[in-house]
Amino acid sequence: GAGVSQSPSNKVTEKGKDVELRCDPISGHTALYWYRQRLGQGLEFLIYFQGNSAPDKSGLPSDRFSAERTGESVSTLTIQRTQQEDSAVYLCASSDQVDNEQYFGPGTRLTVT
Amino acid sequence: AQSVTQLGSHVSVSEGALVLLRCNYSSSVPPYLFWYVQYPNQGLQLLLKYTTGATLVKGINGFEAEFKKSETSFHLTKPSAHMSDAAEYFCAVSDRNDYKLSFGAGTTVTVRA
Repeated sequence: GAGVSQSPSNKVTEKGKDVELRCDPISGHTALYWYRQRLGQGLEFLIYFQGNSAPDKSGLPSDRFSAERTGESVSTLTIQRTQQEDSAVYLCASSDQVDNEQYFGPGTRLTVT
Repeated sequence: AQSVTQLGSHVSVSEGALVLLRCNYSSSVPPYLFWYVQYPNQGLQLLLKYTTGATLVKGINGFEAEFKKSETSFHLTKPSAHMSDAAEYFCAVSDRNDYKLSFGAGTTVTVRA
């Protein structure tokens, strides 16, 4: 079946602009995660959605970052007033409630100029 | 929050030689442990995981890892490197009651012919 998909694959934006990144999880997966991977570093947790529960936003670095998820489907990560330090690869993952194994999408490479 | 340390950001091995990637975590309670691989321009793929039971875990592509509680380690090995093993490898952990993953900084493996 289809894996986790993300769009766009690449995004170049000017400093101060808003961007929206999209994640389509694997069908039936109740949990969805966003991570950020800066160049040469490991992944940083951003936010976690589980079913209809309130999301865990503990990893969001500032109030410029927000995310939404409609039910158990698509999620969007929005970054407002982008800064150069927001340049990174943003990865989305989803998992089911059976083994909680996280399946990752290919990521969106964001470059803020 | 969990802390994960991967010793060595780059490892170079000859084809056919042993691959050893080191991972240590900080936790007084044994967490769930994972190794992921990221091939160039691709998303993360789970190699193997430890949750409970046997401490020697076998994964895909001939990799295995051993959980050693006394050393708080989860080192990844492969007896004989193949050219296709060239990739970046990430160790990750999660608390047993929390599905968020904390990642190490990653180790890039190059394989010499």
